[in-house]
Amino acid sequence: AQSVTQLDSQVPVFEEAPVELRCNYSSSVSVYLFWYVQYPNQGLQLLLKYLSGSTLVESINGFEAEFNKSQTSFHLRKPSVHISDTAEYFCAVRRMDSSYKLIFGSGTRLLVRP
Amino acid sequence: DGGITQSPKYLFRKEGQNVTLSCEQNLNHDAMYWYRQDPGQGLRLIYYSQIVNDFQKGDIAEGYSVSREKKESFPLTVTSAQKNPTAFYLCASSSISGALTDTQYFGPGTRLTVL
Repeated sequence: AQSVTQLDSQVPVFEEAPVELRCNYSSSVSVYLFWYVQYPNQGLQLLLKYLSGSTLVESINGFEAEFNKSQTSFHLRKPSVHISDTAEYFCAVRRMDSSYKLIFGSGTRLLVRP
Repeated sequence: DGGITQSPKYLFRKEGQNVTLSCEQNLNHDAMYWYRQDPGQGLRLIYYSQIVNDFQKGDIAEGYSVSREKKESFPLTVTSAQKNPTAFYLCASSSISGALTDTQYFGPGTRLTVL
């Protein structure tokens, strides 16, 4: 079975500060990794994903995540956050041999203050 | 404009009533999914369907039912047997080509409140 742990339920930061949202996973088989973002009362939007190749993946709005197989982590980072980044962020994994089942972490609420 | 629509956005129901949540997609995706989201928790899979007229239970299917009569539509019925139905419900869809690019895309959600 797979599981995803997001240890921080809420991360408050000041605008223009760097941020790291932590994600660790447990799986006996190889997985794909995803970060989704959810703005208040909206659905989830795919932020970035690791499928293969370079372990560092980037999104179009400045976020990046690095897949670390030895530490079973996929932490999300941004060097300088904006007020508009305030949202809930979910880490998820999917078995490589399955096209359907996403396992989600409990989410981290990023709160950016002016 | 391709995407997933869910209606209604907010839904109120009295205890003991069944209610059906709508999900439609025009992405030509074969697979569709229903998730439940509760505060402070991640999403949990209720049901999924990979082909018309076929669907499988997810992790928390008790008290829910679905149908998949059309590729574009995957309605979810929350029955009176669901003991704690107040939650945010999210529908998603994906292709199942087996390619690495299979990604689940989500609708805007329906917030169900039982009064």
